[in-house]
Amino acid sequence: DGGITQSPKYLFRKEGQNVTLSCEQNLNHDAMYWYRQDPGQGLRLIYYSQIVNDFQKGDIAEGYSVSREKKESFPLTVTSAQKNPTAFYLCASSLGQLNTEAFFGQGTRLTVV
Amino acid sequence: AQSVTQPDIHITVSEGASLELRCNYSYGATPYLFWYVQSPGQGLQLLLKYFSGDTLVQGIKGFEAEFKRSQSSFNLRKPSVHWSDAAEYFCAAPDTGTASKLTFGTGTRLQVTL
Repeated sequence: DGGITQSPKYLFRKEGQNVTLSCEQNLNHDAMYWYRQDPGQGLRLIYYSQIVNDFQKGDIAEGYSVSREKKESFPLTVTSAQKNPTAFYLCASSLGQLNTEAFFGQGTRLTVV
Repeated sequence: AQSVTQPDIHITVSEGASLELRCNYSYGATPYLFWYVQSPGQGLQLLLKYFSGDTLVQGIKGFEAEFKRSQSSFNLRKPSVHWSDAAEYFCAAPDTGTASKLTFGTGTRLQVTL
């Protein structure tokens, strides 16, 4: 079945550590996205990529980094510079056009301990 | 800047009652609009989408939405709510500056009482 796979589902990180969240899609989509979700704030865009080897900052990119070396993969690294990393992270993909919807993974809940 | 607004943070309805969730947008041209649903701890699932043509669009799980240009609204409706509809609902629209970016409303949490 085609879809988006995020791993792990739950992740615990010590303060000061970097951590990488995985996102893989087999939908042959050009565009991929990372969103952060906090209670009462909806979804906020961290980074997005419209094509392999290219990505752009979203609204809250500080403290995060990404790579897009393969069409299928768009990993997100939460660095120690992110002041409040505890959140629910959602990865999505789309064909990258105005009239196409985004498909979402099941999310990763990151907790800093 | 383009925006999507969901005025209701939390709505409670009785099972079997009708439902309407509000969404307002601010776009110059006819927008593309989406409604998504999210169960706790899960990703988002597309309920329905509007691109052009008929202003009343049908979606999955018995949901429908009506696009009203005069009111800049795209409200989600369901005639009879089931307990399993309890979830968070998001309205979204693409950023006209970058075709592939979606802007989301802050969401409406639906509680269903039995």
